[in-house]
Amino acid sequence: EPEVTQTPSHQVTQMGQEVILRCVPISNHLYFYWYRQILGQKVEFLVSFYNNEISEKSEIFDDQFSVERPDGSNFTLKIRSTKLEDSAMYFCASSDPGTGVTGELFFGEGSRLTVL
Amino acid sequence: KQEVTQIPAALSVPEGENLVLNCSFTDSAIYNLQWFRQDPGKGLTSLLLIQSSQREQTSGRLNASLDKSSGRSTLYIAASQPGDSATYLCAVINSGYALNFGKGTSLLVTP
Repeated sequence: EPEVTQTPSHQVTQMGQEVILRCVPISNHLYFYWYRQILGQKVEFLVSFYNNEISEKSEIFDDQFSVERPDGSNFTLKIRSTKLEDSAMYFCASSDPGTGVTGELFFGEGSRLTVL
Repeated sequence: KQEVTQIPAALSVPEGENLVLNCSFTDSAIYNLQWFRQDPGKGLTSLLLIQSSQREQTSGRLNASLDKSSGRSTLYIAASQPGDSATYLCAVINSGYALNFGKGTSLLVTP
């Protein structure tokens, strides 16, 4: 069964360092998303991406964050200068072009980011 | 601003029981509602998607209902098993692209 894959599964970094989290969405999907979950809290929306541009972003997604689809298969989230409060599980998701934003979202296993 | 609430926060039941998890949302103008399962430290597994025009969806032992006008959804799990132990998340989408999640119900099914 097709799945969303994320790497790394866990990354530890020092405050102020740049981090890139990688995702391979399901192959025929065209809508891509990043969410995050701080330990013990709700899953929160960060950004959605369609047709090579950001379609929506939350207040969390400030200038420190960026997303990119560098090739036909990868979708990345970059945090330029990590802060302690960026420590969280980051989830990538994708959805089918036929159903778009009203369709079912499929999530990856997550990348746990720990900022020291 | 959409607020999604899930009750109860935690639930422990003996194996074999039928159970109901509740989800409520404040803004009834939703496109759809999705139920997920999350195992500890793991990703989100989609269980059921209910479009705004639908009243319920079923998959195996799971049945989800939606009452848009009252801002409520329930997830019914029949004949619970220890393998059902996980956190169950409810999420809705209004206009735009963002899913709004509840905090989840942590379910423990004891043998």
